Amino acid sequence: GQNIDQPTEMTATEGAIVQINCTYQTSGFNGLFWYQQHAGEAPTFLSYNVLDGLEEKGRFSSFLSRSKGYSYLLLKELQMKDSASYLCAVDDYKLSFGAGTTVTVRA
Amino acid sequence: GAVVSQHPSRVICKSGTSVKIECRSLDFQATTMFWYRQFPKQSLMLMATSNEGSKATYEQGVEKDKFLINHASLTLSTLTVTSAHPEDSSFYICSARGGTGASNTEAFFGQGTRLTVV
Repeated sequence: GQNIDQPTEMTATEGAIVQINCTYQTSGFNGLFWYQQHAGEAPTFLSYNVLDGLEEKGRFSSFLSRSKGYSYLLLKELQMKDSASYLCAVDDYKLSFGAGTTVTVRA
Repeated sequence: GAVVSQHPSRVICKSGTSVKIECRSLDFQATTMFWYRQFPKQSLMLMATSNEGSKATYEQGVEKDKFLINHASLTLSTLTVTSAHPEDSSFYICSARGGTGASNTEAFFGQGTRLTVV
């Protein structure tokens, strides 16, 4: 089965940096996705990691360590619009999601 | 990015009736489609995975006779909630993956369907 863990909530100040961790134990692994989801909307793609290391995409970066079953999503220069739920999803020929981390950005 | 269209966006139905939700990939061939259900403030729960032309693979605990999935073409998958009950009220989201069905391609999401059973 799949076991994907991430913190439930995080709060940060506008302009700050927040790191959302995700640990996973899955029967297979073909990559890890991060998605952003605003309330009542469908998720939108943020990043994908299949090899160990850091992938940087503007203000968002994602890191993967396959040996540790660990990933993080780094959000820099936080903006109010970044307040959303962030979902870690592990790819094992199907996408299984963690419970999501609700990030609240305060002024 | 690729576009996945899901319809309807909202539906209210009476208890005991059936509801069909459509998921279309508009600019790519979706060899694999995933159907998720999401309750308020919870994450997406995978219900089933369907590959074009074959039967869907349901996750444990999901009743295949209640949630009928059809993936008859490379651009369309449907989820039919049969004999709906109020506890089936939820946000249903489809996701499509294309190419050769290779797992390391991004999955694109539909807009979601808010189902309310009264």
